[in-house]
Amino acid sequence: ETGVTQSPTHLIKTRGQQVTLRCSSQSGHNTVSWYQQALGQGPQFIFQYYREEENGRGNFPPRFSGLQFPNYSSELNVNALELDDSALYLCASSTGGAQNTGELFFGEGSRLTVL
Amino acid sequence: QKEVEQNSGPLSVPEGAIASLNCTYSDRGSQSFFWYRQYSGKSPELIMFIYSNGDKEDGRFTAQLNKASQYVSLLIRDSQPSDSATYLCAVRNAGGTSYGKLTFGQGTILTVHP
Repeated sequence: ETGVTQSPTHLIKTRGQQVTLRCSSQSGHNTVSWYQQALGQGPQFIFQYYREEENGRGNFPPRFSGLQFPNYSSELNVNALELDDSALYLCASSTGGAQNTGELFFGEGSRLTVL
Repeated sequence: QKEVEQNSGPLSVPEGAIASLNCTYSDRGSQSFFWYRQYSGKSPELIMFIYSNGDKEDGRFTAQLNKASQYVSLLIRDSQPSDSATYLCAVRNAGGTSYGKLTFGQGTILTVHP
């Protein structure tokens, strides 16, 4: 139990639709990062939010966007869904700044299926 | 070349044996190295992290790091069926403020059979 919660746990969308995934970080953590994990692959870094600003982005197109709120919870938005967006989306929280150790604490993930 | 590569699996070992999981990375600036375990349908959970060359032991798990060879490994002694999972190697680069960015390998599936 990491204290990181994600919703929804499962969802099905059709191609072209939009989706919003939500994440509540562990208490005391000010950094939230999002990962996409396709079946049989390792997680791939999408982006990170630190103190409410995007602070690092992986190789994902602009239709992947996000927000971080003052309580450090976060949203991942994906527009114009494609079949290849079907994956497990993982949220991870950590402590930014000088106290950062690199350890990430993952939520249980949101499994997105795009038909 | 992939940034982080793990030995191809799946890996099958008998109960009580030593399981050896290997990982190489391409960025010499990498500073922190992590091993995560992921059960089927679940999220990754941290097993160990290592920053310095050499060995680090935690119970039945030993992580080994060789920065000169850009190699990190995980040994699991006295393997148990409950160790059956996918093991993910992850690397964090130094510097900047991308605190939450890890680069993961593709994972190695380990099966421990009774």
